[in-house]
Amino acid sequence: EVQLVESGGGIVQPGGSLRLSCTASGFTFTNYWMHWVRQAPGKGLVWVSRIASDERTASYADSLRGRFTISRDNAKNTVYLQMNSLSADDTAMYYCARDLRVANSWGQGTLVTVSS
Amino acid sequence: QSALTQPASVSGSPGQSITISCTGTSSDIGDYNYVSWFQQHPGSVPKLIIYDVNNRPSGVSNRFSGSKSGNTASLTISGLQTEDEADYYCNSFTRSTTHVFGTGTKLTVL
Repeated sequence: EVQLVESGGGIVQPGGSLRLSCTASGFTFTNYWMHWVRQAPGKGLVWVSRIASDERTASYADSLRGRFTISRDNAKNTVYLQMNSLSADDTAMYYCARDLRVANSWGQGTLVTVSS
Repeated sequence: QSALTQPASVSGSPGQSITISCTGTSSDIGDYNYVSWFQQHPGSVPKLIIYDVNNRPSGVSNRFSGSKSGNTASLTISGLQTEDEADYYCNSFTRSTTHVFGTGTKLTVL
């Protein structure tokens, strides 16, 4: 069974940083692109970033490039999202997703709240 | 990289058909057949219902179908059922090698 388990969310002060993790199981991790998608409370889905199996090739939403960094460790079946200079606008549920096409699967999400 | 444009809401009666549009540009929907549609019920994780414009994943009802013309993709749900009431999002790959979601559509089954 495919499983994606996010962790690392919580309450962080404005200007702070947070690193999210997503640990995968039940499939060959290196066969897939991995994505981060976020959803602010009561709002729509927003694509954040993706990373290829080579652990290097990555892309970002224009509005987040420079503050967010995606990475993965294939030996640990884990993808990360480093988030810096956080503001209230970054408050959201952050989902890890495998592929966004035929092999799509989602984690349950981890909630990030930016508040003083 | 603006969000794809979807109607904020659509509604229909049980048994009817509805169509949700998703309008992008020649740099995303118009350039690739990599359009996916996701269904999200309140408090739940999104679920893939269409990929690559018009393909259904295993287990998804054939009442869901997708299409594309130019820079606009569409999701059609036929034989509406009460359980179809949810939010629907399109997603496309882009020329910048990124992805972009639509603004989302709330479907109400009257």
